[in-house]
Amino acid sequence: ETGVTQTPRHLVMGMTNKKSLKCEQHLGHNAMYWYKQSAKKPLELMFVYSLEERVENNSVPSRFSPECPNSSHLFLHLHTLQPEDSALYLCASSQDRTGGAYGYTFGSGTRLTVV
Amino acid sequence: RKEVEQDPGPFNVPEGATVAFNCTYSNSASQSFFWYRQDCRKEPKLLMSVYSSGNEDGRFTAQLNRASQYISLLIRDSKLSDSATYLCVVKGDDKIIFGKGTRLHILP
Repeated sequence: ETGVTQTPRHLVMGMTNKKSLKCEQHLGHNAMYWYKQSAKKPLELMFVYSLEERVENNSVPSRFSPECPNSSHLFLHLHTLQPEDSALYLCASSQDRTGGAYGYTFGSGTRLTVV
Repeated sequence: RKEVEQDPGPFNVPEGATVAFNCTYSNSASQSFFWYRQDCRKEPKLLMSVYSSGNEDGRFTAQLNRASQYISLLIRDSKLSDSATYLCVVKGDDKIIFGKGTRLHILP
């Protein structure tokens, strides 16, 4: 496999559920990111990991919990979400945390619906 | 002034026409610039980097104007498949900022 792979592609969860989004990159990149994209809004950066260390957390509610066990894998653990958290969640990677020479490579995203 | 600003559009352009849109940025120390393309309900994909001297890739031309702090994207001989949202991306020392995107509809 190549590029950035995200699973699942679609997820419907209740407000009391716990679920996890998974991202895997096969590009040898050192930085990984979670972005949220809501309808008619720009991409919102949620978390940045560089060499498996969290380097940025943009005031994201604690109901979103990231995990980066190694430089190739990134998880986003979800619990007690709200309907307004419904969005497209995109994982991305780059050579380094500044984006490198070629910017980001995005995964296909997980379309999350909270009911 | 917003960090990165784009006209949201939509730009409705007949097939074969030339279309151009700009993206302004506020941080004069910004280092790198990119154009991404995002199709409906898909992830953004890198279209092209923007170099100081301007660069061309087929029908697409990107330019950077540091004095006025904007980048531009020109699409010549537009195709139906060019319909998408075009995201401007500006990279500084420690962060990358995405614009909200400009929607382009190519009309048959």
